[in-house]
Parts: sequence; structure tokens; C-alpha cells
Amino acid sequence: GIQVEQSPPDLILQEGANSTLRCNFSDSVNNLQWFHQNPWGQLINLFYIPSGTKQNGRLSATTVATERYSLLYISSSQTTDSGVYFCAVSGNTPLVFGKGTRLSVIA
Amino acid sequence: KAGVTQTPRYLIKTRGQQVTLSCSPISGHRSVSWYQQTPGQGLQFLFEYFSETQRNKGNFPGRFSGRQFSNSRSEMNVSTLELGDSALYLCACSYRGTGETQYFGPGTRLLVL
Repeated sequence: GIQVEQSPPDLILQEGANSTLRCNFSDSVNNLQWFHQNPWGQLINLFYIPSGTKQNGRLSATTVATERYSLLYISSSQTTDSGVYFCAVSGNTPLVFGKGTRLSVIA
Repeated sequence: KAGVTQTPRYLIKTRGQQVTLSCSPISGHRSVSWYQQTPGQGLQFLFEYFSETQRNKGNFPGRFSGRQFSNSRSEMNVSTLELGDSALYLCACSYRGTGETQYFGPGTRLLVL
């Protein structure tokens, strides 16, 4: 099955800093989503981005499907950005999740 | 529009008991998937239902089962609970399936003692 690797596993940032999270996947996909899991466990959908670039406020994402990776950019980080960020992919199969990147933003 | 709801939110059971969890998807969404999240294994797919039919099943023992009703609401059941079943159970929905945006509910946190 599809393998998903996320890096880095942990990231600590000072408030206001920028960061880039990476997701590598092993096969072609027709669905790639980025999620933020809040401290209560809710998975919040950030982007549906099987290819191309999208932006939503301070967050943006780029997927290069031909090279099998996706990047999530967080600019001007805030303490509320803390949590775990998951990349999940699907290729006509159920979603396969990476292990996540745990982000801690400190004031 | 209303989001995905899951009930109950928290549950404590003892080994050997059974449990039923419920998921109500966003109106119009006919695909419902279930995932188990544990610290050791991460997020793992359990099964997907579409129009009352199981369309995909993950690698879990037969103690884990599910069903979907005509209004797209879904239930999952775990029989003969084991300590290792302690987890956050999440359901996700979409209009047609896992190839499109998945919307997750808040989850049910199950503790097996």
C-alpha cells in the first residue's frame, strides 16, 4: 500500500516564525489532505490538494504530484497553531495517514 | 450546515464488554469512514460505508463491525473489548468516497479498563 512519511516529527517555533512541513508519499494519489488535530482530538481540514498550490490566510500548501511530495507552509506562527499536523493520501483507497508533525509555538 | 457529530464523546468500558459508537454525517454525505487513533499505531482505517454497503475494510479483527442506515448515519460496534482497543475513534464523511475532501467528526474517546 501507499506509504506516507512526514517530516520533521517535532518542531518548536517562536511565535511569529515561519515553518515548512513536508509530506512524501510512495505512489500516485488522487486525494491529498492536510489536517490540523487540535488538543481535543478534532481533525480540522486545512487543504484538499492532490496537486497545485493553495493558500488560506497564513497557511499555504503545494503538492508536486509527479515528485510525490507536498509542503505545508505556516507563516507568522501563533500559539493557536500548536498541535499535530497530518498529511493523508488516497489513491482510490481509504486515506492513509502519515505519523504527523507535532508543532509547538511558544510565546 | 451542521458538521459531523459523534456520540458518545467519552466512554469507559471493561474488558469483555461490547460498545456501539454512532456517527451522523453532514447532510447529503453518503460515504462514512471510521478510523482508530492510538499513540502507537497512529491513525488507521477501519471501514467505509456508502449507501448502506461496506465498500472497504481495514486490517482489523472481526470483533470490529459496522453498519450504515438509510439516512447515512453509521454505527460501529466492538465486541469482547480488549485493553488495546482503548483509542480515539474518528468518523469521516464525504459525498461519494475517499477520493474527495473528508470531513471528520470530533471523535469518541474509548477507555477499556
